[in-house]
Amino acid sequence: DAGVIQSPRHEVTEMGQEVTLRCKPISGHNSLFWYRQTMMRGLELLIYFNNNVPIDDSGMPEDRFSAKMPNASFSTLKIQPSEPRDSAVYFCASRGGAGGTDTQYFGPGTRLTVL
Amino acid sequence: AQKVTQAQTEISVVEKEDVTLDCVYETRDTTYYLFWYKQPPSGELVFLIRRNSFDEQNEISGRYSWNFQKSTSSFNFTITASQVVDSAVYFCALRQGGDDKIIFGKGTRLHILP
Repeated sequence: DAGVIQSPRHEVTEMGQEVTLRCKPISGHNSLFWYRQTMMRGLELLIYFNNNVPIDDSGMPEDRFSAKMPNASFSTLKIQPSEPRDSAVYFCASRGGAGGTDTQYFGPGTRLTVL
Repeated sequence: AQKVTQAQTEISVVEKEDVTLDCVYETRDTTYYLFWYKQPPSGELVFLIRRNSFDEQNEISGRYSWNFQKSTSSFNFTITASQVVDSAVYFCALRQGGDDKIIFGKGTRLHILP
C-alpha cells in the first residue's frame, strides 16, 4: 500500500515567491495533519483536517500560510509570500481508516529553502 | 495540560551495546495513547509503536522493547545490541483520548558508533 505522498521533496525559492506544497494521504484515512520541523522549534503542528474540514489552524504562523483540502485524497499548504524564516521541513501525516486507528503516518517531507 | 519530556538530548554508544531512551509524560486523562517515532538521517518519520493507557504490558519487537509504567508516567524504549543503522532521532509522543492532536517530545538523537 502506498504511504503518504508529498511533493515536491525539495523546493528552493526566492523570498517573496509563492510556494505550494502538496500531500496525498493514505487512502481511506480521514484526518490529515500538516507539521513544520526546524532545529529551533522542533515539530510543530500547523493545521489539521477531519473529513476534509479544517479543525484547528491555531498553529499556522500567520496569514501568509494557508491550507486547503478540496477532497479526501489531496491537500495543499501554500505560503505567499515566502520568507527566509519559512525554511524548514514540512511534513504531512494522515490518520484513520477502519476502526479509527490512532496512529499518524507521516509522508517523507518537503524540504523548503527560501533564499 | 499534556507534556512529553525526553530529557536525553543526545546519546552515543558503541555498536552492540544496549541503550535506553527515556520518555516521561504528563496528562490528566485516564485514556491516552503513547507513541514512538524514528527519524533516520534521511529525514522521514517512521512509526514504531503505539500503546494505549489501559495496556501496560511491555512490548518486544526484535531488538526493540518498550517499558510502559503508569506509576512513573514513563514509556521508555530500549534497543538491545545496537547497530549503526539505529542511529537516528527518536521521538516520544502523547495523544489524549479526546484529542486529535499528538504532542511530541523534543527527541533524543542517538549515535551508534562502529
